[in-house]
Amino acid sequence: GQNIDQPTEMTATEGAIVQINCTYQTSGFNGLFWYQQHAGEAPTFLSYNVLDGLEEKGRFSSFLSRSKGYSYLLLKELQMKDSASYLCAVRDPGAGSYQLTFGKGTKLSVIP
Amino acid sequence: NAGVMQNPRHLVRRRGQEARLRCSPMKGHSHVYWYRQLPEEGLKFMVYLQKENIIDESGMPKERFSAEFPKEGPSILRIQQVVRGDSAAYFCASSPGEGTQPQHFGDGTRLSIL
Repeated sequence: GQNIDQPTEMTATEGAIVQINCTYQTSGFNGLFWYQQHAGEAPTFLSYNVLDGLEEKGRFSSFLSRSKGYSYLLLKELQMKDSASYLCAVRDPGAGSYQLTFGKGTKLSVIP
Repeated sequence: NAGVMQNPRHLVRRRGQEARLRCSPMKGHSHVYWYRQLPEEGLKFMVYLQKENIIDESGMPKERFSAEFPKEGPSILRIQQVVRGDSAAYFCASSPGEGTQPQHFGDGTRLSIL
């Protein structure tokens, strides 16, 4: 089966750093994606990891360890506009085609 | 707007009616995916289409639901004889190809069944 776990909610202070973890158990693996979703809006693509290590893109970084089935999204210099849900998704070729399997999302609240 | 376009944004139907959701992929994208999102739940894959072909419909209920992506025009997700449990947000995503390409999402259609 497929299982993707991430915390339901997190709160962090403006200007701080927050790390959102994601663990996955899938029959196969062909990449892990992070998306940001503001309430009532489309998920927007943030990052993609297929090899182990850290990918940095501005204030956002994403890390992957395939042996541990683990990823995290790191957000630096938090801004109020970063309050949103963050979705971890795995592409599992064993699940058929190139569909993404999503976790339930982590709702991040940034407070002043 | 060069993004994925979905319409309508909101759709209200009575039980037993039909719902038609439309999705125009980003320019240059030939792969379309439909997902359903229930409150407090993650996005669930429904169907993956390329032009005139259904590639994978493993996530779509066998009855009442159908999808198409014709040679011309948008992709359509059709739900016949809707029931209250069909109330959800339906998102469409597109990508230029398979492999490592990220999927880009539309703003979704919020379907409410009375």
